[in-house]
Amino acid sequence: EAEVAQSPRYKITEKSQAVAFWCDPISGHATLYWYRQILGQGPELLVQFQDESVVDDSQLPKDRFSAERLKGVDSTLKIQPAELGDSAMYLCASKTLETQYFGPGTRLLVL
Amino acid sequence: GQQLNQSPQSMFIQEGEDVSMNCTSSSIFNTWLWYKQDPGEGPVLLIALYKAGELTSNGRLTAQFGITRKDSFLNISASIPSDVGIYFCAGFYTGTASKLTFGTGTRLQVTL
Repeated sequence: EAEVAQSPRYKITEKSQAVAFWCDPISGHATLYWYRQILGQGPELLVQFQDESVVDDSQLPKDRFSAERLKGVDSTLKIQPAELGDSAMYLCASKTLETQYFGPGTRLLVL
Repeated sequence: GQQLNQSPQSMFIQEGEDVSMNCTSSSIFNTWLWYKQDPGEGPVLLIALYKAGELTSNGRLTAQFGITRKDSFLNISASIPSDVGIYFCAGFYTGTASKLTFGTGTRLQVTL
């Protein structure tokens, strides 16, 4: 069964450092999402791609976060510089028709 | 923005009991999705519902898309310890066709 892949699964970094997360959606899924999830809460959308284009990045803190999906397949989410408040689970998801599938997530801890 | 009201917020049940949780919305939804999330993992899709009135099962899980298109419920029969986790409802509604709206989650804990 096809799955959304994410790496790394865990990342520990110090504040002010740069971090990057990678996502490979299910093959053929044109729509890709990055979410941030604080412990105990539901996922919060950061950015949505349709192929290589950004459709919605209204909730992305653009002063420190960036996302790209250059060839419309895999995607990278970057944080620079990381802050203590960025500690969270970062989830990638891809969508086909009216169904959305999530990857296993990257748990980020900023010290 | 649009929010989904999910209840109960948490529940403790005995192993073997049936569980019911639901989501309600003030807006009409086109699709309802139910996910389960284990600690440290991403949400896993359990059931997808696409039509009003649709009743779908996946093993011990049964979910229904409400006739009004503003609600959905999930039932788990004969709960087992591995059912522990957080269950989220989510949906696509007519206002934002490709942006998923999430419920607040139901934390399920099973006592032996």
